[in-house]
This record gives sequence, C-alpha cells and structure tokens, in this order.
Amino acid sequence: GAGVSQSPRYKVAKRGQDVALRCDPISGHVSLFWYQQALGQGPEFLTYFQNEAQLDKSGLPSDRFFAERPEGSVSTLKIQRTQQEDSAVYLCASSFEYNSPLHFGNGTRLTVT
Amino acid sequence: QKEVEQDPGPLSVPEGAIVSLNCTYSNSAFQYFMWYRQYSRKGPELLMYTYSSGNKEDGRFTAQVDKSSKYISLFIRDSQPSDSATYLCAITQGGSEKLVFGKGTKLTVNP
Repeated sequence: GAGVSQSPRYKVAKRGQDVALRCDPISGHVSLFWYQQALGQGPEFLTYFQNEAQLDKSGLPSDRFFAERPEGSVSTLKIQRTQQEDSAVYLCASSFEYNSPLHFGNGTRLTVT
Repeated sequence: QKEVEQDPGPLSVPEGAIVSLNCTYSNSAFQYFMWYRQYSRKGPELLMYTYSSGNKEDGRFTAQVDKSSKYISLFIRDSQPSDSATYLCAITQGGSEKLVFGKGTKLTVNP
C-alpha cells in the first residue's frame, strides 16, 4: 500500500493485560514516530526512530511502554500491564528523511476496560 | 503555559464562508509550522508546511506565520462541507523532529 499502515485498528484490553501495536511505514522511509492522541486532544509525541535506532524516547509516559524497530522498517509499540489512562489512539508516522514532512497512519484505538 | 495554544472551538460556518483558524506558541526556537486536517477516525493529513514568516497559499488554503508575535493562522476560502474536520496546528524546531501539536479546532461547514 501507499500509506502508513497500522494494526489492529481497534483493540480492547482488560486492565493489566499486555498489548502490542504494529506500524508498517511507507517503504523507504527512514524516520518513524509514535504519537498518543487522547480524546479531544492533539497528538503527543512518544518516541522516534531513525532506521533501527531509537533516538528519542522522552515522551514514553512510563516504563510500561516499550517500542522497537529491529530491522529499520516495521515498528511495534508494546504496553505492559495496561491501565485505564492508556486508553487513547496511538498514531504512527513516517518520513523519507530528516526535514521532510510526516505521513500519519489511521491509528490504533486502544480501550482499556 | 502549554507550548502551543489552539482554541478547540467548535466552529460552525455556512458553506462559502471564509474560515480563520489560529494558534499561538511560546518558544521562539520553533522554526517549522504545519497545519494538519484530521477527519473522524482517521490520521492527521498534512495540509500546509511553512518555514518562514509570511503567507503561503495553496488553492483555497492560506497559511500565515508571524514569528515576531508567535502567531500562526490558516485561512480557508469558499469553505465546503467536505472541509468539515478537526484542524491541528503543529510546530517543531527541526523539520521533522518531534512535532508539538495544538489541541485542534473542530470545524463544521453547513451546506
């Protein structure tokens, strides 16, 4: 496909469960970002990869959140022991190179019950 | 004070109206300014991308940046019902470093 693909589109988890969210960036895009968007809010930065290197993880809210991009393409955001406050839309974005605009996927909507 | 302030609205206008959307920011280190459009249950879609102060036009959309006032605007001319969406301003120090988003303004254009 031509765009950033995220799966699943919707995820319901019971409090305390672990979840894994997947992002397939646009082919050839070097930079990959994860954002969290709470209801009625703008997206907030979580973490950034350049190829397989995680260059910035300053936005991860706690050590329950972990992201990886082992081969520099597909990325996974993992949340351990989910809490209700983790309920949000998780957006992935990629860009071709530094200083080029970001292209966003449609997100994964996570609901923790 | 948040780094980027944006009035969340909602804003409701008749078809054909001129729409003005605005954001203010606090850090003069921010150099790149973007406007994204987000339809319900979709990801943000880039509309406008500017670096310098002044105006940038693309069809019915005009982005305006005033770095001295730390104020950015998006104008939509001849608004259409298909423009109904949430509009997010986003700023960054580097071109594609982490973006700082406003809250978004929800716009409805009524036919």
